[in-house]
Amino acid sequence: GAGVSQSPRYKVTKRGQDVTLRCDPISSHATLYWYQQALGQGPEFLTYFNYEAQPDKSGLPSDRFSAERPEGSISTLTIQRTEQRDSAMYRCASSPGPGAEAFFGQGTRLTVV
Amino acid sequence: AQSVTQLGSHVSVSEGALVLLRCNYSSSVPPYLFWYVQYPNQGLQLLLKYTTGATLVKGINGFEAEFKKSETSFHLTKPSAHMSDAAEYFCAVSGIYNQGGKLIFGQGTELSVKP
Repeated sequence: GAGVSQSPRYKVTKRGQDVTLRCDPISSHATLYWYQQALGQGPEFLTYFNYEAQPDKSGLPSDRFSAERPEGSISTLTIQRTEQRDSAMYRCASSPGPGAEAFFGQGTRLTVV
Repeated sequence: AQSVTQLGSHVSVSEGALVLLRCNYSSSVPPYLFWYVQYPNQGLQLLLKYTTGATLVKGINGFEAEFKKSETSFHLTKPSAHMSDAAEYFCAVSGIYNQGGKLIFGQGTELSVKP
């Protein structure tokens, strides 16, 4: 696509529910990143993919968080048993390769009530 | 390990005045340095980046930044602020390829421009 697309733009969920966020990267881009941005803070790295491989998931805060990119294109980030502290903006970015310019989507604002 | 510190969470300038947003970094490997801008309800947009070569980097919208290794700084400047520059600005550092290009961001500086 023309840019990085994330859906939904806004998500309100009840504590304890599972949520899945979607990222559709720029079509030619091999690398895809997920970041979490709390209010008033900078984005924090969660994980990244090179095609379908996931070389680094060191930023995932707990085993409730998981991400996949099964066909090396669209990616999903799933948060199980959501907690209020998971409330944040979740940003996806894609780039042609590691170290190249990353293009960010508009993000998904997650609110856990 | 890498980290970024942005001095000042809020900066306010008058229209036409110099913009200076400060960024200091820490990196155990040669850094790649970036400035991103975030307008309300939009994604992060790259303003400029330093990888290698010339230490004075020019970006979009009249912004520039200078990499100073001795000071571990990468401050962002613009000679004359415009109302449309009001936004949040993030400095970020990245390693080279063995770190996958992941970005480590500072906490951000919100720039206000007064008429």
